[in-house]
Amino acid sequence: KQEVTQIPAALSVPEGENLVLNCSFTDSAIYNLQWFRQDPGKGLTSLLLIQSSQREQTSGRLNASLDKSSGRSTLYIAASQPGDSATYLCAVNSGYALNFGKGTSLLVTP
Amino acid sequence: GAGVSQSPRYKVAKRGQDVALRCDPISGHVSLFWYQQALGQGPEFLTYFQNEAQLDKSGLPSDRFFAERPEGSVSTLKIQRTQQEDSAVYLCASSPSSSRPTNEKLFFGSGTQLSVL
Repeated sequence: KQEVTQIPAALSVPEGENLVLNCSFTDSAIYNLQWFRQDPGKGLTSLLLIQSSQREQTSGRLNASLDKSSGRSTLYIAASQPGDSATYLCAVNSGYALNFGKGTSLLVTP
Repeated sequence: GAGVSQSPRYKVAKRGQDVALRCDPISGHVSLFWYQQALGQGPEFLTYFQNEAQLDKSGLPSDRFFAERPEGSVSTLKIQRTQQEDSAVYLCASSPSSSRPTNEKLFFGSGTQLSVL
């Protein structure tokens, strides 16, 4: 079974810092990898989707990279803002169901 | 509606009660998923529908869990004789196409938080 691990589990940074969230997966036979944001009491919002043939995707201040052979992805957040505070989840698609990590809880302090 | 709608938002049940959780996907979306998210964990796959057909129910934790989507739109997740370990957030997600795997994004609802006392 595909295992997805996210490091760190929690992160607190001052506003303005650049930061990196890490995701690793055990089976490199993936179709795509997605990063989601989850706010307390809310559902998941898709941030970026990287297809298996791609190396990275960018949206605004977010950049996600994928190294399929080593089973790793990173989410880079530039110039962090308090509004970025949320839980970030990595999910791997190997068929039709997504396998999620436990998430990284991010707090950006003013 | 514009997004995936789930009801109720919160449900408190006594151990042994039956509960029914509802999901209204985005209109026209063919694929529908149910996920279970325990506190501090990532969502875990429960079941998948393509229109009214339940193509995969391998993630349902026991035979107390049952899901249906009789007309290919609204779906209901039913849990019989609830246990404390069933306490979790139940998330519904939908996507437009039937082809799997796909590079389409999934649209998630806000979930139903179930607490079994």
